[in-house]
Amino acid sequence: NAGVTQTPKFQVLKTGQSMTLQCAQDMNHNSMYWYRQDPGMGLRLIYYSASEGTTDKGEVPNGYNVSRLNKREFSLRLESAAPSQTSVYFCASSEEGQPYNEQFFGPGTRLTVL
Amino acid sequence: QKEVEQNSGPLSVPEGAIASLNCTYSDRGSQSFFWYRQYSGKSPELIMSIYSNGDKEDGRFTAQLNKASQYVSLLIRDSQPSDSATYLCAVNKGETSGSRLTFGEGTQLTVNP
Repeated sequence: NAGVTQTPKFQVLKTGQSMTLQCAQDMNHNSMYWYRQDPGMGLRLIYYSASEGTTDKGEVPNGYNVSRLNKREFSLRLESAAPSQTSVYFCASSEEGQPYNEQFFGPGTRLTVL
Repeated sequence: QKEVEQNSGPLSVPEGAIASLNCTYSDRGSQSFFWYRQYSGKSPELIMSIYSNGDKEDGRFTAQLNKASQYVSLLIRDSQPSDSATYLCAVNKGETSGSRLTFGEGTQLTVNP
């Protein structure tokens, strides 16, 4: 099993460009998450999907949109990239939307917005 | 007050020593607690989870939880240079949170040979 996979690994954008970060998991998990990680800020939740067909905002959703394409895939879209969105983006998944369920992370996408 | 606070680092210990990493949380209703290890340039890797007061041991790692004091810690015995990483404390705040986690900023640990 590959676990959680993310594409691309690295990306450089110019301000105003758009892009979609892709995430897929093969663990048959119901819940998926998008985080960003900035120096000194820890991991912050952008959006999550408790189950197929549902999405909800996290702590820092502004400037992002998501799509839960099916049970396996959860994408994150930047419609008009800004330098403040320069960060490392991690996707994660968990079995169910319950407090005791552990989250497993993908390898991350390093995004630079010039 | 931050929702999840970790002791400020970096923390440096000699090889073979016990490394102690601490975390406090603000929401008294929090139900589950996780420790992740993150090597530089890599993604977080789950190493321990704890849900009940007391100690939970797994190999060289021991997680300790005290809900009354809103405190969770991670002890690493016989520290090795390969333990050098940033350790993230994560807290689930309860049923209404689903399995969403709130993370601390992390503590950077260096184990010196």
